[in-house]
Amino acid sequence: EAEVAQSPRYKITEKSQAVAFWCDPISGHATLYWYRQILGQGPELLVQFQDESVVDDSQLPKDRFSAERLKGVDSTLKIQPAELGDSAMYLCASSLEPPGANTEAFFGQGTRLTVV
Amino acid sequence: AQKITQTQPGMFVQEKEAVTLDCTYDTSDPSYGLFWYKQPSSGEMIFLIYQGSYDQQNATEGRYSLNFQKARKSANLVISASQLGDSAMYFCAMREYAYSGAGSYQLTFGKGTKLSVIP
Repeated sequence: EAEVAQSPRYKITEKSQAVAFWCDPISGHATLYWYRQILGQGPELLVQFQDESVVDDSQLPKDRFSAERLKGVDSTLKIQPAELGDSAMYLCASSLEPPGANTEAFFGQGTRLTVV
Repeated sequence: AQKITQTQPGMFVQEKEAVTLDCTYDTSDPSYGLFWYKQPSSGEMIFLIYQGSYDQQNATEGRYSLNFQKARKSANLVISASQLGDSAMYFCAMREYAYSGAGSYQLTFGKGTKLSVIP
């Protein structure tokens, strides 16, 4: 069964270091999302891509976070420099089409980041 | 204001019993979608059930059903015949049109309910 692939599953990094996460959506899915989930909370959208274009990055802390999806397929989310408050689960999701009200998003297993 | 409110941080249910997880939402759009996801300790979000704002009947998927009360803006998840494998976090989510950025239907999650099934 097709799935969203994310790596690494776990990452421990020191404060002020750079860290990057990778996501490969389900083949053919044009829409890709990055969510951040702080422990005990629901996921919050960081950035949404339609093909290689950013549709919404209004919640992305752009002073330290960046995201790209150069060829409209896989995507990388980067944090530089990492801060203690960035410790969270980073979830990638994809959907087949530009989302409508009924569009289901398929999620990867996430990358659990710990900043020390 | 919270878009999605889940008032039960944690719930316990006896195996084989039914359980209802509460969800209320806030939107002024006529077109929206309501979703429930399950998140086991392994981390992935698993889609369970969907209800559209124009759907006349409550959605059902196997042991899952959604009690949709549109006037009350309520979309409670009912799990029948609970199993030990149902122990997980459950998130209610809503898709509605967001005018931020280029504009799109965004998926917003509640804070979740941790369900524990007791043998």
